[in-house]
Amino acid sequence: NAGVTQTPKFQVLKTGQSMTLQCAQDMNHEYMSWYRQDPGMGLRLIHYSVGAGITDQGEVPNGYNVSRSTTEDFPLRLLSAAPSQTSVYFCATNRGGLSNGYTFGSGTRLTVV
Amino acid sequence: AQKITQTQPGMFVQEKEAVTLDCTYDTSDPSYGLFWYKQPSSGEMIFLIYQGSYDQQNATEGRYSLNFQKARKSANLVISASQLGDSAMYFCAMREGGITGTASKLTFGTGTRLQVTL
Repeated sequence: NAGVTQTPKFQVLKTGQSMTLQCAQDMNHEYMSWYRQDPGMGLRLIHYSVGAGITDQGEVPNGYNVSRSTTEDFPLRLLSAAPSQTSVYFCATNRGGLSNGYTFGSGTRLTVV
Repeated sequence: AQKITQTQPGMFVQEKEAVTLDCTYDTSDPSYGLFWYKQPSSGEMIFLIYQGSYDQQNATEGRYSLNFQKARKSANLVISASQLGDSAMYFCAMREGGITGTASKLTFGTGTRLQVTL
């Protein structure tokens, strides 16, 4: 049982390049979300989804795009990478219900040069 | 306004002592949940404990307990009998009940770095 799988674990991009961070889950959770973690700022929500075909913006959505075509996958696209997007990115899933905890992936460390 | 405030950037505690990590929150939603996560140096996010706004008793999970003071909007994490392996970053987070979608969002504080010493 893999839980939440994020790929890649590390990535270096040049400014202006695009890429997709992958997130896959095998827990059949409806809710999926992407967070970025920057020093001194905790985790901030980028985009989230409450089910296949439904996505919405979080606190810091600019420069990122998402789609949710299946329950299992929730990729995060960087359209034109900027140094300000250097961060650690976490994907998280939840099956809904206020008391249910979130399961996090192991993170992707992205550096934009 | 910050929804989750953790005022202690860093804390030190001696092994076997208890330590309290502070967390205050701000919401007008009567239905919400509070979470604590541990992030060791390896980077993963580990769920520790949950407290619901309607829970009558403070949550406990092994050596972790949550001192929930609803009127003061505080949800402090207490770690008893600290161990060297407790050295990590600790995050308080809140999920508001509200409408669908809102309930899928987890809002984090900035974290407290705990160092356990011999």
